[in-house]
Amino acid sequence: RKEVEQDPGPFNVPEGATVAFNCTYSNSASQSFFWYRQDCRKEPKLLMSVYSSGNEDGRFTAQLNRASQYISLLIRDSKLSDSATYLCVVKRRNNDMRFGAGTRLTVKP
Amino acid sequence: EPEVTQTPSHQVTQMGQEVILRCVPISNHLYFYWYRQILGQKVEFLVSFYNNEISEKSEIFDDQFSVERPDGSNFTLKIRSTKLEDSAMYFCASRGQTGNTGELFFGEGSRLTVL
Repeated sequence: RKEVEQDPGPFNVPEGATVAFNCTYSNSASQSFFWYRQDCRKEPKLLMSVYSSGNEDGRFTAQLNRASQYISLLIRDSKLSDSATYLCVVKRRNNDMRFGAGTRLTVKP
Repeated sequence: EPEVTQTPSHQVTQMGQEVILRCVPISNHLYFYWYRQILGQKVEFLVSFYNNEISEKSEIFDDQFSVERPDGSNFTLKIRSTKLEDSAMYFCASRGQTGNTGELFFGEGSRLTVL
């Protein structure tokens, strides 16, 4: 089983839609969780950290369920500029960071 | 804003040649990483480096790979004898904080093409 698994995608949605991405992780000792965004042929960049209580940043909401080892990202009112690959990232106890395969999102006019 | 810088941005080499990819992490960061991404595929962990030694490496990071932090600023990845399947984008990343927080900052990547 892969350490970090994500919805394979791709997700093609119209502008204004709400879209949700899921991620599961296998290592129960994982400590911290993040969503990164990667634009085509660019480096990954932090979108948001994921806290146990859930957190929101504008149109983006992240949730963590430690019991189910599950992380989610919800994007509301999607914009054309949200088109990218979204990477679920898990920090292990030894401080290493492992990436999911990513979910590609295309927002269409 | 401080950033991670990588050189070269693109290198073309012949199979069997040695390649050194260079990275200058953010100056007060403590943890350093190399990842690679084959075109169209996932970001794959290669190696992490902390306190002047490798803290973990993946199955990809075999005897052909090595890392060094020779002078306290540069962080290099060496591939001793490149293979066709080493063609990928190699990302260097650094992180400053211990504990649960700490954003991973990536360089823009070095694209390696092995012919």
